[in-house]
Amino acid sequence: AQSVTQLDSQVPVFEEAPVELRCNYSSSVSVYLFWYVQYPNQGLQLLLKYLSGSTLVESINGFEAEFNKSQTSFHLRKPSVHISDTAEYFCAVRDTGTASKLTFGTGTRLQVTL
Amino acid sequence: EAGVVQSPRYKIIEKKQPVAFWCNPISGHNTLYWYRQNLGQGPELLIRYENEEAVDDSQLPKDRFSAERLKGVDSTLKIQPAELGDSAVYLCASSLGWTINEQYFGPGTRLTVT
Repeated sequence: AQSVTQLDSQVPVFEEAPVELRCNYSSSVSVYLFWYVQYPNQGLQLLLKYLSGSTLVESINGFEAEFNKSQTSFHLRKPSVHISDTAEYFCAVRDTGTASKLTFGTGTRLQVTL
Repeated sequence: EAGVVQSPRYKIIEKKQPVAFWCNPISGHNTLYWYRQNLGQGPELLIRYENEEAVDDSQLPKDRFSAERLKGVDSTLKIQPAELGDSAVYLCASSLGWTINEQYFGPGTRLTVT
């Protein structure tokens, strides 16, 4: 069975500063990796995903994440955050097997202030 | 395109009372999921439907929880009787098939059991 660890429950950051949200996973087989974002009073939205190929994946709003197999990590980064990035971010993992389910981490609250 | 619709958005009930949640997935999405998200935790899968068939309900507490997806479109999740520990956000999601396709989440129903 797979698991996800998001060690930081909250990350406060000033606007225009860089940010990294950490995600580590555990699995005995190959995995797919995802970052979801949840804005207040909204459902989760897929931010970006790693399925195969290039280990660096990007979203349309400036976030990127890099799959590091040796460190079993999939950290999320943004070089310059905006107030509107304030949200809860969830890392999720799924084994590549067809019967596998999506397992979420506990989430990291990103709070961007002026 | 309309997203996943859930109702009600909020529900407060006393313990031992029944409660039901409704979900309308995105049109054409044959896979539907119900998740439970406890406070400070990530979503956890309760049940997954492929059309009208429940193909993964291993995490559904069957003594008090039930779900149905008649005609393979809308779905209802029921708790009877509710317990204090059932207080959580219940999320519905849908996707086009069960492989690596993106899951689209609804806004959730926040249940408070008093």
